[in-house]
Amino acid sequence: EPEVTQTPSHQVTQMGQEVILRCVPISNHLYFYWYRQILGQKVEFLVSFYNNEISEKSEIFDDQFSVERPDGSNFTLKIRSTKLEDSAMYFCASSDLTDEQYFGPGTRLTVT
Amino acid sequence: GQQLNQSPQSMFIQEGEDVSMNCTSSSIFNTWLWYKQDPGEGPVLLIALYKAGELTSNGRLTAQFGITRKDSFLNISASIPSDVGIYFCAGQNYGGSQGNLIFGKGTKLSVKP
Repeated sequence: EPEVTQTPSHQVTQMGQEVILRCVPISNHLYFYWYRQILGQKVEFLVSFYNNEISEKSEIFDDQFSVERPDGSNFTLKIRSTKLEDSAMYFCASSDLTDEQYFGPGTRLTVT
Repeated sequence: GQQLNQSPQSMFIQEGEDVSMNCTSSSIFNTWLWYKQDPGEGPVLLIALYKAGELTSNGRLTAQFGITRKDSFLNISASIPSDVGIYFCAGQNYGGSQGNLIFGKGTKLSVKP
């Protein structure tokens, strides 16, 4: 069964450093998303991406965040200058023309 | 912004018992989705609901989209130990583009063998 994959599974970085989180969405899906989940809390929407552009973003997704689909398979989330409060699980999700979003296993980002 | 109230926060049940959890919102949603999350993993889609009043089953799971479009419930029948995890409801509302999901805070289910 097709699934969303994410790398790395765990990323440790120092405050102020740039990180890039990578995702490979399900191959025939058209819509891509990033969500985050701070430990013990609910999942929060960051950004959605369709047709090579951002279609929606939340207040969390400020100028420090960017997304890119550099080729036909990868979807990346970049945080330019990480802060301690960026520590969280980051989930990529994808969907086709339905509303059913399928999530990847997540990347645990730890900012020290 | 839109918020979902999910209850109960946690449940401790005996294996074999039925479980019921629900989500309510002050806003209308076009779609309700139910996910299960195991520790350290991503949410796994269980059921998607698209129409007000719709009742959908997936094995021992049954979910309904409330008539008012502001609520949904999930039932699990004859619980088993592998049902342990956190169950999240998520609502979706969109205009011309595919919309983001708004998640509830989750119901943590513990099952005693």
